[in-house]
Parts: sequence; C-alpha cells; structure tokens
Amino acid sequence: DSGVTQTPKHLITATGQRVTLRCSPRSGDLSVYWYQQSLDQGLQFLIHYYNGEERAKGNILERFSAQQFPDLHSELNLSSLELGDSALYFCASSPRLGVGGTEAFFGQGTRLTVV
Amino acid sequence: AQTVTQSQPEMSVQEAETVTLSCTYDTSESDYYLFWYKQPPSRQMILVIRQEAYKQQNATENRFSVNFQKAAKSFSLKISDSQLGDAAMYFCGGTSGSRLTFGEGTQLTVNP
Repeated sequence: DSGVTQTPKHLITATGQRVTLRCSPRSGDLSVYWYQQSLDQGLQFLIHYYNGEERAKGNILERFSAQQFPDLHSELNLSSLELGDSALYFCASSPRLGVGGTEAFFGQGTRLTVV
Repeated sequence: AQTVTQSQPEMSVQEAETVTLSCTYDTSESDYYLFWYKQPPSRQMILVIRQEAYKQQNATENRFSVNFQKAAKSFSLKISDSQLGDAAMYFCGGTSGSRLTFGEGTQLTVNP
C-alpha cells in the first residue's frame, strides 16, 4: 500500500459527460501528479500541483482540469468525454516540490471507461 | 528529463538468467533524477530503483542494478537471476524541474 488513495476505482460513463477523479496523497506529501495511461500505452504526464499551486503542465487537454485543495487532496475533472478518454488515470504524490531524493508514490489508479 | 525513450517494446528472459532493459533520455538540466518503475498485471506502479544524476556510482538494489552513462544520456536496468515475479511492464522515468516523465515502457516476459 503506497498510502495514496484514488477514488473511484472504476468509472463507466457515456460520451459527453463529465466526471471527477479524486486523489488523496500520502500524509504530509505536498506534491500531486496526474498521469493518463491508455490501453497498452505509457504514462502520459498531465499536470503537477504543489501545495495548492499548479507547477507543471503536460499533455493535458483543455477539456481536462485539475486542482489541489487546502487539505492537499486533488481532483481531476474530465468533461465532454470522448471514447478516446477511456484510460487508467494515476495519481502520484511526493513529499516535496519534485521527486528528488525520494520517489513518486502511486495510487492504484481509476479505470475510466467511456461508452 | 524532457523526453525519455525506451526502444525495446518487449523483452524476454529465461528464469535465472540476466536481462538488460535500455533507456535513453534527453535533458538540458544538470540536476535531475532517473527512475525505473515496475508495473505488474495488477497495474500498480512500484519503484524498482532510482539514480541521482550527480552520483557517479551506479545504483543497486538486490538483483536490480543500473548502468548510468551520463554523457551518453543512457540509463539501462539490469535484472540478474530473473524470477517469474519479475514479469511486468518496466517504465524508465526522469525528472525535468518538478515534472516526472516516463518512456513508453518495456514488457518483460520471464520464461520458466
């Protein structure tokens, strides 16, 4: 158990809908990262938050947004969903701004299926 | 690393043998970190080994070791005495500022 909690574990929704994925980082970790892993693909970096502020943005679509709250949990919002958004979405956390000297601790992921 | 490349989509090894997974990266930074993560069928991402770029000594964790060639921007993973439980997707990752970027992965099969 990495200590990172993602909910829900599975989500099935229809095209055009909006969903929210939630991530609770390890206790005390200030950084939260979001990744998308499509079927048999690598991990695409989406966005990084540190202590409530966006610090780095990767290949995140404009239909996607994220935020980190004062209690450090984070939410990834996906809207106007398309079939191609079906993927495993991972959240990871680390104690500091980067992962230097430590590692990124990953949650179990949320499996999103768009039908 | 701004980009991470794993040129071997699939590799296989006999149980108890040694296998090396390749990874190259590109970065303009002088201070960065490199990682190998393992993703078994459960899809959980598990850290295998990490390397600080400022350290010349190659990292080692039990049967896992790396060959870090900083000038060549190469970071390969060697698995010795391969076990059936090593079968997984392996991702090489590197930092660029606060972001952590991964390669496309190498699927490792361990044959009994």
